[in-house]
Amino acid sequence: IVMTQSPATLSVSPGERAALSCRARQSVGTNLAWYQHKPGQAPRLLIYDASTRATGIPARFSGSGSGTDFTLTISSLQSEDFALYYCQQYNNWPMYTFGQGTKLEIK
Amino acid sequence: EVQLLESGGGWVQPGGSLRLSCAASGFTFSDNAMSWVRQAPGKGLEWVSGFSGYGDSTYYADSVRGRFTISRDSSKNTLYLQMNSLRAEDTAVYYCAKNPIGYWCFDLWGRGTLVTVSS
Repeated sequence: IVMTQSPATLSVSPGERAALSCRARQSVGTNLAWYQHKPGQAPRLLIYDASTRATGIPARFSGSGSGTDFTLTISSLQSEDFALYYCQQYNNWPMYTFGQGTKLEIK
Repeated sequence: EVQLLESGGGWVQPGGSLRLSCAASGFTFSDNAMSWVRQAPGKGLEWVSGFSGYGDSTYYADSVRGRFTISRDSSKNTLYLQMNSLRAEDTAVYYCAKNPIGYWCFDLWGRGTLVTVSS
């Protein structure tokens, strides 16, 4: 299942809201996760089952969507939120696929 | 502390072999499904291979099937990836990742180990 993220790069000012998009070529139900990845660090699970926050993830991160269209929203960007973000489908387990990523950068 | 620590990466010529290791700590290793995921330079994440939680089922991406072998040693809390017949396109940072029980997302990742395949 091909996953497409947009935009490739998103420039947002601290304190503002960011919305990242992920689209599946075919329905994945709600079997979708979002990860944050910073250079040299381990990726971190943010959201699973499309809208459930992982343990310890701040409430400013939220996920929505089902079927083929999903959104990760960060309500008020903090400096530590600027990173790469990936979506991943696991509906076709174990043939997981990831999106190509969205780079969230400081405007 | 709950963590995964990869090792074994390095430089290898095309056609060569390498074995990666992932040492797990802080959780019951044998209860959890585990995977290897890689990231080639400038590219996104690609799932490579997985090992089931209970039992010994293994799974591979088409791009590595027949060349890579995943295994684990529960007595050492370690996951392995034996990589044979390496190609330039296998150059990537390789991460191990853990599935929480009953879920198919990855709730814990290591920091990765770099594999470079070049002549």
